[in-house]
Amino acid sequence: AQKITQTQPGMFVQEKEAVTLDCTYDTSDPSYGLFWYKQPSSGEMIFLIYQGSYDQQNATEGRYSLNFQKARKSANLVISASQLGDSAMYFCAMREGSNAGKSTFGDGTTLTVKP
Amino acid sequence: DTAVSQTPKYLVTQMGNDKSIKCEQNLGHDTMYWYKQDSKKFLKIMFSYNNKELIINETVPNRFSPKSPDKAHLNLHINSLELGDSAVYFCASSHLAADTQYFGPGTRLTVL
Repeated sequence: AQKITQTQPGMFVQEKEAVTLDCTYDTSDPSYGLFWYKQPSSGEMIFLIYQGSYDQQNATEGRYSLNFQKARKSANLVISASQLGDSAMYFCAMREGSNAGKSTFGDGTTLTVKP
Repeated sequence: DTAVSQTPKYLVTQMGNDKSIKCEQNLGHDTMYWYKQDSKKFLKIMFSYNNKELIINETVPNRFSPKSPDKAHLNLHINSLELGDSAVYFCASSHLAADTQYFGPGTRLTVL
């Protein structure tokens, strides 16, 4: 059974600093995708970044990068130069190739950026 | 233009009532989903449709019935609402079942 673990219920970071949000996963499927979503206090779910299990390079999207360590089954999200608007809940999610369409989400990490 | 839209945004109703939530996407995607987010923010998939056909049906009470009149719409009908149905319901869509999912703004359902 697939499983996503986010061990940090809450994180704080100073504005302009970098922060890493942890995500570990468990799957026996060699083909899978990993996703990060942001949910601000307004409630919408915003897609941030995607990493495929066969991708050789770590994914990057602007200030977001995904530190993908396949052997450790971790897919940490790194946010560089934090901004006040980054304060939100962040969800890690995984989809297995053999179970396409069904995403499993972690419990989320609440990030607070301090001025 | 809103990519994935849901109506209504808020829904307050009495226990035992029947209600529907509508979802539409204008992204040309083939696959649509319904998720439930509970009070602890835990997000769980309920249903998935691909080209109007049901492909995922998680352990959801049969009081919940999704309906997809075409691949751009996926509605959720809930019969005999219970207090435990109170949650935020998200619709999402993706081009293919394995692709990135894009979420609607959510519908906050409150059952009194």
